[in-house]
Amino acid sequence: ILNVEQSPQSLHVQEGDSTNFTCSFPSSNFYALHWYRWETAKSPEALFVMTLNGDEKKKGRISATLNTKEGYSYLYIKGSQPEDSATYLCAFRYRDGGTSYGKLTFGQGTILTVHP
Amino acid sequence: SAVISQKPSRDICQRGTSLTIQCQVDSQVTMMFWYRQQPGQSLTLIATANQGSEATYESGFVIDKFPISRPNLTFSTLTVSNMSPEDSSIYLCSVYGGELFFGEGSRLTVL
Repeated sequence: ILNVEQSPQSLHVQEGDSTNFTCSFPSSNFYALHWYRWETAKSPEALFVMTLNGDEKKKGRISATLNTKEGYSYLYIKGSQPEDSATYLCAFRYRDGGTSYGKLTFGQGTILTVHP
Repeated sequence: SAVISQKPSRDICQRGTSLTIQCQVDSQVTMMFWYRQQPGQSLTLIATANQGSEATYESGFVIDKFPISRPNLTFSTLTVSNMSPEDSSIYLCSVYGGELFFGEGSRLTVL
């Protein structure tokens, strides 16, 4: 059983605050680590797909880092805005010669609320 | 990328009934993936729907409870059979292309 854990479960911040979340995952048989944003009544949307140890990716005010040796990833949001309010999910894909195609193990998510 | 349409978007169902969720993709794909999120739980893969063959179910999910059809390369259905309150969830269909592309989900409440 693959265990993917996210912390914190929920977070309330003020507009303009910077924040970060953690995702921990198995450090063996690693293939990729995904981050998704899921806004209420919308589809989950991919933010990043990270595959290499030490990867850092950035999209606007959001960035992520990856440590595959110790099995964790951080997602950072700089200068949070109310429109950043959503559930942030990380998901792990294990290495298995192709049979894990499309099969991601998700964490429970971090619910972010940004107050104006 | 892919555009995925799902319906119904939400429904309230009675215990013991069955409901079929439809998923339409705007391009041809070999595999479609059905996920579920129960309240307070992680998104969990139910099964992989392959065109031309039977669906492949993950541990804990069985065909009698979640029959899947895949009549062509752009369409799939998931039926939730003999529903109980524990089946109250958001059901999502998705396709994979380096990342998962999801439909908007079907939120089912079973009374």
